Amino acid sequence: QQQVKQSPQSLIVQKGGIPIINCAYENTAFDYFPWYQQFPGKGPALLIAIRPDVSEKKEGRFTISFNKSAKQFSLHIMDSQPGDSATYFCAASMAGNQFYFGTGTSLTVIP
Amino acid sequence: GAVVSQHPSRVICKSGTSVKIECRSLDFQATTMFWYRQFPKKSLMLMATSNEGSKATYEQGVEKDKFLINHASLTLSTLTVTSAHPEDSSFYICSASFESSSNQPQHFGDGTRLSIL
Repeated sequence: QQQVKQSPQSLIVQKGGIPIINCAYENTAFDYFPWYQQFPGKGPALLIAIRPDVSEKKEGRFTISFNKSAKQFSLHIMDSQPGDSATYFCAASMAGNQFYFGTGTSLTVIP
Repeated sequence: GAVVSQHPSRVICKSGTSVKIECRSLDFQATTMFWYRQFPKKSLMLMATSNEGSKATYEQGVEKDKFLINHASLTLSTLTVTSAHPEDSSFYICSASFESSSNQPQHFGDGTRLSIL
């Protein structure tokens, strides 16, 4: 059973566009929600993370929106650049236990 | 900079060979490390949780005799793929957190591309 559902599977946007990647979860015990960026042949790198006590977190061009009641969270990339082309994974965890990853979104930013 | 170092980055070997992959936490102690397997264009599949000083906890369907995990120190965990076969070819990634008792992000190594001929 997929603990964290992620969509879309792939996304293509023009440079400057705002791609949005969505994730949903069921387990209300999750209390930590990170996003990871992965380039081909590399391990995932932490991009930004949020805890359920806030509804939004922004770091540079990356913003997480969190809707606790809907059990959903999303990643927005402002002013996207070709260098943002990568695979993005959302994840969820509780109290330092294992992380559950979404299925990933392949983002392509066209120059 | 990198906080988790994984070595080697790429291995190509013959069927039947055993392959050891190292995962090191740099400048911090990790009582828990995680080993993942990732197929092309797929998500990370947790294989096992490596606990320093005790036996690893394997996920359902992962053969513990096939994938030997040793976490002998607070900065090093190893994954040994024993008698590897072509179906074991994959991208193996380890991760570690600064602390296991609170929500700290997992930091990933750069992965090991294993190709069995």
